[in-house]
Amino acid sequence: AQSVAQPEDQVNVAEGNPLTVKCTYSVSGNPYLFWYVQYPNRGLQFLLKYITGDNLVKGSYGFEAEFNKSQTSFHLKKPSALVSDSALYFCAVRGGSSASKIIFGSGTRLSIRP
Amino acid sequence: EAGVVQSPRYKIIEKKQPVAFWCNPISGHNTLYWYRQNLGQGPELLIRYENEEAVDDSQLPKDRFSAERLKGVDSTLKIQPAELGDSAVYLCASSPPSTGGKTEAFFGQGTRLTVV
Repeated sequence: AQSVAQPEDQVNVAEGNPLTVKCTYSVSGNPYLFWYVQYPNRGLQFLLKYITGDNLVKGSYGFEAEFNKSQTSFHLKKPSALVSDSALYFCAVRGGSSASKIIFGSGTRLSIRP
Repeated sequence: EAGVVQSPRYKIIEKKQPVAFWCNPISGHNTLYWYRQNLGQGPELLIRYENEEAVDDSQLPKDRFSAERLKGVDSTLKIQPAELGDSAVYLCASSPPSTGGKTEAFFGQGTRLTVV
């Protein structure tokens, strides 16, 4: 069975500092991994995905994520946080099959203080 | 390009009443999803369509929930009768045809349902 875990309910970072939002997963076969962001009263917006290839994936708004197969992790990172990055972030996983569904983590609230 | 459109944005109903949500996916997207998101939690899949076929409805509470996508485009999700615990945000998403599920899903803004 597929699963994804986001161990931190909230991450607090000062503006200008690097940020990391953690995600670990469990799937059968090769994983397809996604990060989404959700602002208040809005739907989920796609940030980036890992399908295959380079372990470091770059996405929207300066975010990137590092796929680590041995640790089954896909942590979201940004070198320098902005106050406007404050939002709810979701990691999602799909097993390497078109028949599998996208499973979401419980979310991490990112708070960037000025 | 228009995104996924959902209506209504907000709905307040009394328990035991019926309610319906409508979704228009992005043009050309054959896969459509309905998710439910409870406050402070991640979205949970209710049903997934490939064209007009429901290929995964294992999480849909079939005693009160139903969904349809008759022409493989728009979709409707219905709850009858609604219960207090159904209060949540109902999200619709769509994704284009792909090989092996490599494409991401694009989400609408959701319908916030409050059952009183």
